[in-house]
Amino acid sequence: GQQVMQIPQYQHVQEGEDFTTYCNSSTTLSNIQWYKQRPGGHPVFLIQLVKSGEVKKQKRLTFQFGEAKKNSSLHITATQTTDVGTYFCAGPQNNNNDMRFGAGTRLTVKP
Amino acid sequence: NAGVTQTPKFQVLKTGQSMTLQCAQDMNHEYMSWYRQDPGMGLRLIHYSVGAGITDQGEVPNGYNVSRSTTEDFPLRLLSAAPSQTSVYFCASSYRTGLREAFFGQGTRLTVV
Repeated sequence: GQQVMQIPQYQHVQEGEDFTTYCNSSTTLSNIQWYKQRPGGHPVFLIQLVKSGEVKKQKRLTFQFGEAKKNSSLHITATQTTDVGTYFCAGPQNNNNDMRFGAGTRLTVKP
Repeated sequence: NAGVTQTPKFQVLKTGQSMTLQCAQDMNHEYMSWYRQDPGMGLRLIHYSVGAGITDQGEVPNGYNVSRSTTEDFPLRLLSAAPSQTSVYFCASSYRTGLREAFFGQGTRLTVV
């Protein structure tokens, strides 16, 4: 089964509300990556976190990597309709030889 | 720079048929992989390759074969298609899997009837 768990599976928000998705791994990760997939599209890389406790921002998006490097979160402030899509976290497995993805959080935004 | 190119984009197969999904990248990436995406299941790794001539199994390898004769190409073969293989398939490449970002192809939507 999947070793990277992600919650919630779905999130529906009103435009302007905040959104957060959480990712948890059963093992310590060397790094964690986040991807966004628009409806009908393919996953696109957003960011990579490497350091324990790391926090990175991209405009309205804030990414955090836990102190134990087993969990991560993505927070979007004041969602917009352009934020619609599925957000995936991914962590390396097998000595960094492959990436395992969480099940994703599908975000819908009501205008 | 085309990135990762997958063909075909859509395919319908009958149960028992075989076919090959093509994947090519022009970024000289060592690492390539195949994922399948099903509703609520995220992206599940089928097979991956860390370089030409080297392949390994992922989470869900049964029913699929791969080969990596060149750095650029990583085809996925369905040996005898089953309805359970109905899915969207994505090929991805990376300079260093697990350490650098992955670039995905546009996907192949496969239906097995």
